[in-house]
This record gives sequence, C-alpha cells and structure tokens, in this order.
Amino acid sequence: ILNVEQSPQSLHVQEGDSTNFTCSFPSSNFYALHWYRWETAKSPEALFVMTLNGDEKKKGRISATLNTKEGYSYLYIKGSQPEDSATYLCAFVDYKLSFGAGTTVTVRA
Amino acid sequence: NAGVTQTPKFQVLKTGQSMTLQCAQDMNHNSMYWYRQDPGMGLRLIYYSASEGTTDKGEVPNGYNVSRLNKREFSLRLESAAPSQTSVYFCASSDRDGQETQYFGPGTRLLVL
Repeated sequence: ILNVEQSPQSLHVQEGDSTNFTCSFPSSNFYALHWYRWETAKSPEALFVMTLNGDEKKKGRISATLNTKEGYSYLYIKGSQPEDSATYLCAFVDYKLSFGAGTTVTVRA
Repeated sequence: NAGVTQTPKFQVLKTGQSMTLQCAQDMNHNSMYWYRQDPGMGLRLIYYSASEGTTDKGEVPNGYNVSRLNKREFSLRLESAAPSQTSVYFCASSDRDGQETQYFGPGTRLLVL
C-alpha cells in the first residue's frame, strides 16, 4: 500500500480567487501521477497524467506541476468559478493506481 | 460509445446474501479495475485485470471475487455480503498500464443491512 497524501482535505475559495493544493507521494520508483476531478454524484474524470520530473500541464484554468525527486505535485486553479467545486484526486502509479483521499474544493459565489 | 457501464446502479442486500456487480467497456481497453469508495478514504482498489485472462488482488480484496469474462466485461462478486461492504463501487478501464488515463463507470451504490 503506497502512502499518497493530499492536503488540505478541504478548502473554501471565493469566486475569482486562485488556489492550489498538494499531492505527496513516494519519490522512489516513480512511474506516473494522475489527477482526477470528481463532482458530487458523478464519476471521476481525468485531468492530467504526468510522467516526467518538471512536467507542467494545463487545461483551461487548471494546471499542475510535478516534482518526482521530492515526491510532490501541485494543482492550481486560477480565477476559481463555482463550477470548479469538486473533489480533486491524485493517484500515484507503480503498476496500478493508489489514490489519495482527495481535496474537496468549494467555490463560493 | 457508452464508455464504461455498470449494473445495477443501486442494490440493497441482507447480510449473507450474494450478488454480482457487472461492468462493461466498449473502448477496447486491455485493463479493468474495481474500486470501492468510502467517506474520507478516497478510492481503494479491490481487484484489477491487466489484460484479458488475468486478475490480481488490489489493496482490499477480502470478501470479493472477480471474473474477467472477456476483454469487455469484468464482474465483481460478493459471495456473502457483510455490512462492512456497504460502499459505492466503481469500475474503471484503461488502454493498458498505469501511464494511461482511467475511465470510470457511474458507480454502484450498495447497502448491506
């Protein structure tokens, strides 16, 4: 069982503000890191798959960075909107995915 | 394309009853997975199938069995349901290994009384 930790567990953001949160994972035997967005009553949907140290990926107002040497990834949301409210999951890959417990983001209008 | 489908969407069982959760994907993916989701614990892998004909245990396999019936279908069986198996179950598939995005089904909500 791999120790994948996400912090904070939850956060509240005012509409228009930017925010970021962290995924920590084992720095040895890195293969890939996934980010998923999970809205209430829906299924998780993939945001990014990151494989290289220093990777930066962007999808609209959401972006992610990866540091495999120190074992962390940041997810950023720029100019948060109410539709960004969701739980964001990261998953570390050795030969299968080990998910963190998620960061739940609530954007207040 | 329907993607990943799961049946049933919701089920109530009594302790000791058995049932099979069905999952199918139409994306010609090689790998399929079963997860359970419990409050505060994220997604935990029960079993996975890296390719047709193979299955392996995940993090929480006890009390479950799986069958990779063919490339499309991967079922999860509870032989004797227990209240601790009350959860939401998600099936997922990916083209091959962990570098590929996983696509999730809509989930099955199971309540064991």
